[in-house]
Amino acid sequence: DQQVKQNSPSLSVQEGRISILNCDYTNSMFDYFLWYKKYPAEGPTFLISISSIKDKNEDGRFTVFLNKSAKHLSLHIVPSQPGDSAVYFCAASVNAGKSTFGDGTTLTVKP
Amino acid sequence: DAEITQSPRHKITETGRQVTLACHQTWNHNNMFWYRQDLGHGLRLIHYSYGVHDTNKGEVSDGYSVSRSNTEDLPLTLESAASSQTSVYFCASSESPLNTGELFFGEGSRLTVL
Repeated sequence: DQQVKQNSPSLSVQEGRISILNCDYTNSMFDYFLWYKKYPAEGPTFLISISSIKDKNEDGRFTVFLNKSAKHLSLHIVPSQPGDSAVYFCAASVNAGKSTFGDGTTLTVKP
Repeated sequence: DAEITQSPRHKITETGRQVTLACHQTWNHNNMFWYRQDLGHGLRLIHYSYGVHDTNKGEVSDGYSVSRSNTEDLPLTLESAASSQTSVYFCASSESPLNTGELFFGEGSRLTVL
């Protein structure tokens, strides 16, 4: 049973528009949620996180929203830039321990 | 600057051989993790450690082992490599005690088992 799911394998948006990446989870014990960005042939890098006690966290062009009742979180990128083209992984952890990852969403931002 | 390094970056081996992938971090993090990534899949946890002499199995631990003799290193050993273990392996570390759980990843080790 996959505890963290990213149901959209890919997303394509125009430069300057908003990108919305979605993630669903099933384990109600998760208390921290993180997004990672991965370029080809590189390791993932941390992007933004949110605690389960919050419903929104913003960092520059990146905002993560958490809906605990729906067990759903989303990452908004505004405005999208070609350099944002990468694979985005959603992850969740309990007490900041081991993280469980989704399968990733490949974002393509077209100039 | 603190960092996490993996070696080798690329390895080709034969079925049945023992293989060890090295992971070394200079962050002085207590927590270290090994993940594998396969095409079309996310990162799946193999083994992890919360400190020296502590090791734990992840969701896909069969055929793999780790040991933690110091803070900096968590080598991953494939006792008898199988073609199903062809994958990209990522080592990661994180701080403790409690924090966001943000992981710092290495560049990855691509292993091919023929």
